[in-house]
Amino acid sequence: DGGITQSPKYLFRKEGQNVTLSCEQNLNHDAMYWYRQDPGQGLRLIYYSQIVNDFQKGDIAEGYSVSREKKESFPLTVTSAQKNPTAFYLCASKLKGGTEAFFGQGTRLTVV
Amino acid sequence: AQKVTQAQTEISVVEKEDVTLDCVYETRDTTYYLFWYKQPPSGELVFLIRRNSFDEQNEISGRYSWNFQKSTSSFNFTITASQVVDSAVYFCALSESPYSGNTPLVFGKGTRLSVIA
Repeated sequence: DGGITQSPKYLFRKEGQNVTLSCEQNLNHDAMYWYRQDPGQGLRLIYYSQIVNDFQKGDIAEGYSVSREKKESFPLTVTSAQKNPTAFYLCASKLKGGTEAFFGQGTRLTVV
Repeated sequence: AQKVTQAQTEISVVEKEDVTLDCVYETRDTTYYLFWYKQPPSGELVFLIRRNSFDEQNEISGRYSWNFQKSTSSFNFTITASQVVDSAVYFCALSESPYSGNTPLVFGKGTRLSVIA
């Protein structure tokens, strides 16, 4: 089945550690996005990529990094520089401008 | 800059009541797209509807209906005869013209709907 797969579903990180969240899609979509969701904050854009080997910062990119080496994959690394990383992270992809975005099931990251 | 406002943070209704979720948007584009998504407790966002800025015709899909009014920059969502399964967080979103490329959707903060049996 076509879709977006995020892994893991739950992730625990010790303070000072970097962690990488996986996002894979088999929809042949060019554009991919990472959003962060906190209670009462809605979805805030972290990074997005419109084509392979290119990506742009979103509204809250500090403390995060991404790569887009393959069309299907857009991993997000939460670095130790991110002061408050505990949140729900959603990955999305879109075929082209004006169309709806499809979302993965999310990764819930908790700092312990 | 684009902005989406969902003024209702939480709404509680009794089953079978009708409920309207409000969405107001801001954009300088003349061509844009509006969306509604549902987020059930599982967390994944489920696409409900897309509407482009040139189509102000209201749409009905079963118990769901959408009212798009450019004059007031609103795109409201009504659930008729609500059911417990409608309990979720609902997001309104805005996207720029497709000619601007694959720019991201801008989301409102969401409205949490609780339908009580």
